Amino acid sequence: AQTVTQSQPEMSVQEAETVTLSCTYDTSESDYYLFWYKQPPSRQMILVIRQEAYKQQNATENRFSVNFQKAAKSFSLKISDSQLGDAAMYFCAYRGSTYYTDKLIFGTGTRLQVFP
Amino acid sequence: DTGVSQDPRHKITKRGQNVTFRCDPISEHNRLYWYRQTLGQGPEFLTYFQNEAQLEKSRLLSDRFSAERPKGSFSTLEIQRTEQGDSAMYLCASSLARHSHNEQFFGPGTRLTVL
Repeated sequence: AQTVTQSQPEMSVQEAETVTLSCTYDTSESDYYLFWYKQPPSRQMILVIRQEAYKQQNATENRFSVNFQKAAKSFSLKISDSQLGDAAMYFCAYRGSTYYTDKLIFGTGTRLQVFP
Repeated sequence: DTGVSQDPRHKITKRGQNVTFRCDPISEHNRLYWYRQTLGQGPEFLTYFQNEAQLEKSRLLSDRFSAERPKGSFSTLEIQRTEQGDSAMYLCASSLARHSHNEQFFGPGTRLTVL
């Protein structure tokens, strides 16, 4: 069975600085998708960034980028130029690649605090 | 608003009572998912539908839980004989599954408290 581990329950960063959130996963599949989701307090979860395992190039979305190390089964999220609005719970998630393997498997989350 | 909506947003019930939650997906999304999130944990998959067919159920979904999506649009999740351990946030998500690359959009959740 696939598992996702986030070993940092809480992280903090100063506004405009850079922070990296860690995620490791375990799977026997060779093709899959990895995601980072953001869950602001009392608000719904939104997708931050997605990585396809077959792509060697790391995904980037504006200030958000990932460091995907397939052999190490590591998938970290880097937030550059942190903003107050980045404060939230961040969840790393795994999904298999087949059409019917559609459930997301989440880690336990990292709470990110951003200080002015 | 064309996002995923859930009703009610909060539900307080007494142990042993039945509760039902509703989820309205994004229009034209053919897949609908239910997850459960307890305090300090990430969401856990419960079940998902493609149109009206329930394609997968987690072992977390005991006999007291039942989900339906009768016309392939909205879905309901019913919990019978609630227990204190059922207290959690119940999240619904939907997606348009054309291929294996499909994004799930989440609703705001229904927070259940069982006294």
